[in-house]
Amino acid sequence: SQELEQSPQSLIVQEGKNLTINCTSSKTLYGLYWYKQKYGEGLIFLMMLQKGGEEKSHEKITAKLDEKKQQSSLHITASQPSHAGIYLCGADRGDGGATNKLIFGTGTLLAVQP
Amino acid sequence: NAGVTQTPKFRILKIGQSMTLQCAQDMNHNYMYWYRQDPGMGLKLIYYSVGAGITDKGEVPNGYNVSRSTTEDFPLRLELAAPSQTSVYFCASSSRAETQYFGPGTRLLVL
Repeated sequence: SQELEQSPQSLIVQEGKNLTINCTSSKTLYGLYWYKQKYGEGLIFLMMLQKGGEEKSHEKITAKLDEKKQQSSLHITASQPSHAGIYLCGADRGDGGATNKLIFGTGTLLAVQP
Repeated sequence: NAGVTQTPKFRILKIGQSMTLQCAQDMNHNYMYWYRQDPGMGLKLIYYSVGAGITDKGEVPNGYNVSRSTTEDFPLRLELAAPSQTSVYFCASSSRAETQYFGPGTRLLVL
């Protein structure tokens, strides 16, 4: 079965520093989603990638999907305390059906020190 | 739009008790999902529904039941609560093959 591995599991950075979170799949990704979760809250949608080589940016967050569609990275530039939280990648199972069922990585806990 | 709402936010159950976790969405989404999130783990799909009257099992359905009588509501039923069901439960909804939007979660503790 398909699995998603996220790295690192946790990350502490100084405010203003850049950072990268990776999400690697054992199978080809048909749709890759990035979510952010704050403690005690639900998941907030960040970005979705579908095409090999695709890159999307929103404010200081950039997500990329590699050409082989098996790895995605999330890059934060000039991190701020508001970026702290758990980042989760989710992927469409690619069953070929219309169910949009997702599997998720185990998450990356990000702390940003002022 | 309220988006996806879940009630209750937090609940403590005794072993063997039953309860229903409520989920509602006002985005007219056909697809709805229930996930559980255990500490240090990603989300696992419990059940999902592609429309009113249609439900199907996800990865971890044992110990749970669902129903979908309307487009808006997708309740999750625990019949005989067990400590292994202590978790945070998230409901989500989406249009076909589109982004899933999540509710704030229900924290369940079974003692």
